[in-house]
Amino acid sequence: QQQVKQSPQSLIVQKGGISIINCAYENTAFDYFPWYQQFPGKGPALLIAIRPDVSEKKEGRFTISFNKSAKQFSLHIMDSQPGDSATYFCAARAPKAAGNKLTFGGGTRVLVKP
Amino acid sequence: DAGVTQSPTHLIKTRGQHVTLRCSPISGHKSVSWYQQVLGQGPQFIFQYYEKEERGRGNFPDRFSARQFPNYSSELNVNALLLGDSALYLCASSLGSSYNSPLHFGNGTRLTVT
Repeated sequence: QQQVKQSPQSLIVQKGGISIINCAYENTAFDYFPWYQQFPGKGPALLIAIRPDVSEKKEGRFTISFNKSAKQFSLHIMDSQPGDSATYFCAARAPKAAGNKLTFGGGTRVLVKP
Repeated sequence: DAGVTQSPTHLIKTRGQHVTLRCSPISGHKSVSWYQQVLGQGPQFIFQYYEKEERGRGNFPDRFSARQFPNYSSELNVNALLLGDSALYLCASSLGSSYNSPLHFGNGTRLTVT
């Protein structure tokens, strides 16, 4: 049972363009939504995170938009750079769940062309 | 500062064998979680330990077990290996066990079962 659905599976964007990755969740108990960036051969690294009481959060070129009523959230990468080429995972965590367990989406492979 | 360290980095085992994977958390972090990442998918939660006690268990068979030591390092054990156990095993540490503690991942152990 996939509780967090991520799309697209892959995307190609030109340098300077905007990358947009979308996630949808089912469990309304989720209340913490992080995004992770993973390079080949490396573990996931926390990029940015949001809680549902905020509709948008921006850190540098990375922005999370959150729509609680639609149970959807998205990552926007502005001014995409070749160094942003990686796999991105959205995730969600519920309070009082099994510890601080994260439920991950399936991942989006982003390729930024120079 | 040293991040989460995992050993070994790569491992090849034969079906039916046993394997032990090791993890050292970031200094000061008392919680360790284990995730399995099959190629092309998002990580899946296996276990969380906090102060040497199991705080959460994912949907994995009893062949999977783990423990945390007094120095907060951890071991993941998998018995009777199956071909389907081939994956990247990720360890993550956090300061506490609650959802307010972000997870920091190591680079994983790549397990291949032949």
